Amino acid sequence: QVQLVESGGGVVQPGRSLRLSCAASGFTFSTYGMHWVRQAPGKGLEWVAVILYDGSNKFYADSVKGRFTISRDNSENTLYLQMNSLRAEDTAVYYCAKGAVRGIIANYFDYWGQGTLVTVSS
Amino acid sequence: DIQMTQSPSSLSASVGDRVTITCQASQAISDYLNWYQQKPGKAPKLLIYDASSLASGVPSRFSGSGSGTDFTFTISSLQPEDIATYYCQQYDNLFLTFGGGTKVEIE
Repeated sequence: QVQLVESGGGVVQPGRSLRLSCAASGFTFSTYGMHWVRQAPGKGLEWVAVILYDGSNKFYADSVKGRFTISRDNSENTLYLQMNSLRAEDTAVYYCAKGAVRGIIANYFDYWGQGTLVTVSS
Repeated sequence: DIQMTQSPSSLSASVGDRVTITCQASQAISDYLNWYQQKPGKAPKLLIYDASSLASGVPSRFSGSGSGTDFTFTISSLQPEDIATYYCQQYDNLFLTFGGGTKVEIE
């Protein structure tokens, strides 16, 4: 069965960096686009970034462009989110999500991880 | 970016009631519209994709309709386990966006 397990969240000071990981199993990771979606405490869902199945294309929400970098290691079935210059407004649960349709960027999400909480606070 | 306006933001209904949520896109998105259910402390779950297709394993009391800019999500007979927040999401372009969510409660 498909599993997505995020890790790497925690408390970090404003301006610092953090790297999230998402370990995938149960499907052919290298053939699906993967996404990060976040949810601030008590708020709605916000799409953050996407990476194409082979890592050749990446897109970001305006709110994180230039500060966050999405990447993947298909040999390790792992998705990453490098978050730099963190701000208080980046405080959220971060979910990795699998694109449902093989090989494309714009997509819907058929599987989600359990999420990892990132708290940006001094 | 395409803005998704979801209404109402919350509703209260009785078990067995028909519940309807609407989602309006700021521009036409064909049928690239999906619906998710999120229970407290849990990850979202896909219910409906491409406006009206039921995701695998989802009960048939859930349905969706619409195209272009106006979409509807319906629970035909509300059950206690349906208490959750529901989100629409568009994927017409690369910058995916969600509606603000509708919190469904039991009267």
